[in-house]
Amino acid sequence: AQSVTQLGSHVSVSEGALVLLRCNYSSSVPPYLFWYVQYPNQGLQLLLKYTTGATLVKGINGFEAEFKKSETSFHLTKPSAHMSDAAEYFCAVSALDSNYQLIWGAGTKLIIKP
Amino acid sequence: EAQVTQNPRYLITVTGKKLTVTCSQNMNHEYMSWYRQDPGLGLRQIYYSMNVEVTDKGDVPEGYKVSRKEKRNFPLILESPSPNQTSLYFCASSFSGTVPTGELFFGEGSRLTVL
Repeated sequence: AQSVTQLGSHVSVSEGALVLLRCNYSSSVPPYLFWYVQYPNQGLQLLLKYTTGATLVKGINGFEAEFKKSETSFHLTKPSAHMSDAAEYFCAVSALDSNYQLIWGAGTKLIIKP
Repeated sequence: EAQVTQNPRYLITVTGKKLTVTCSQNMNHEYMSWYRQDPGLGLRQIYYSMNVEVTDKGDVPEGYKVSRKEKRNFPLILESPSPNQTSLYFCASSFSGTVPTGELFFGEGSRLTVL
């Protein structure tokens, strides 16, 4: 069965510092990988996704993620954090063996220190 | 404006009193889904629908019912709510559930408290 693990329920970084949010997945078949962001009191919105092709994927608001098959990882990064990046981030995986339903990680709350 | 609309946004109710959370999308999406979000557990799928009159159980369907009589609407029904159904609920839709690359569009959430 598929699973998604996000390391760290809370991550705190200073404004201007590198953001790194970790996501590891387990899947026996090629996965499709997603990052969604949830701002306070809002629904989730798609940040970026990997389907096929280039393993480095760029998303909105300067975020990017790299699919590393050998490490079964899809970590999310941003070179310089802004206060507006404070939100909760969810990694999700979809694959044939889950009938393409999204399997979600528990989420990581990103805290930006001034 | 393309959107998924949920109502009510906030509700406090008592154990056993039937309630319905409505969900409507205006994007002609085939796929719709209900999730609940609880701290530390991420999103868990309750039910989903690939198209009109087609619904399937997700990971946590117990205590919930859904129907999909029209493409745009996908109500979530709690026949006899219990305190363990206190949660934040999200409705989401996508162009097609069989295409894994499709983006999910979410409503703003419905916060339900069952006393």
